[in-house]
Amino acid sequence: DTAVSQTPKYLVTQMGNDKSIKCEQNLGHDTMYWYKQDSKKFLKIMFSYNNKELIINETVPNRFSPKSPDKAHLNLHINSLELGDSAVYFCASSQGFSAGELFFGEGSRLTVL
Amino acid sequence: RKEVEQDPGPFNVPEGATVAFNCTYSNSASQSFFWYRQDCRKEPKLLMSVYSSGNEDGRFTAQLNRASQYISLLIRDSKLSDSATYLCVLNTDKLIFGTGTRLQVFP
Repeated sequence: DTAVSQTPKYLVTQMGNDKSIKCEQNLGHDTMYWYKQDSKKFLKIMFSYNNKELIINETVPNRFSPKSPDKAHLNLHINSLELGDSAVYFCASSQGFSAGELFFGEGSRLTVL
Repeated sequence: RKEVEQDPGPFNVPEGATVAFNCTYSNSASQSFFWYRQDCRKEPKLLMSVYSSGNEDGRFTAQLNRASQYISLLIRDSKLSDSATYLCVLNTDKLIFGTGTRLQVFP
């Protein structure tokens, strides 16, 4: 059983398109996150939700819109994709906000052409 | 100054060697610290927490120096399977990841 699963694993799309990445965790955690890892391997937090409530919203363009229908799911929708959005997007979960141990999904590699 | 700084490496060491990585941080209010490991094209996974008194987990030893604002990771008797990128992580009100130090262990 995969603890944190995200789909799709790979996404190749054209500039200007809209795409979504879905994430689900079966660990019973109350906090979920989206991280972006760019080509320089810098892993940066984008959003964090605790019990479906947005807790962290880093300086992310408003083309990125997270949605948490329940505490086991956190989806990421991206509008009007740009070349600079190409990266690996990791979903993660933890028990408690600001916990030290995050459980990451396998990542979704987005390539914008 | 970056919040977390690490030497990107790569550190190329033979099996059986001892290798150490340092990581410096700028936010003195950082509450807790961790080392994560990330294999190539995989997700990061927690390796160990770093306690003020230092802690050891098998071949791995982590230490924290708050006065000088750095943490370290020592790996003894390196194995081929230790080859990975080691990410220094600090917790303020969120987890902040360093860019990692790449370790390559060769036979």
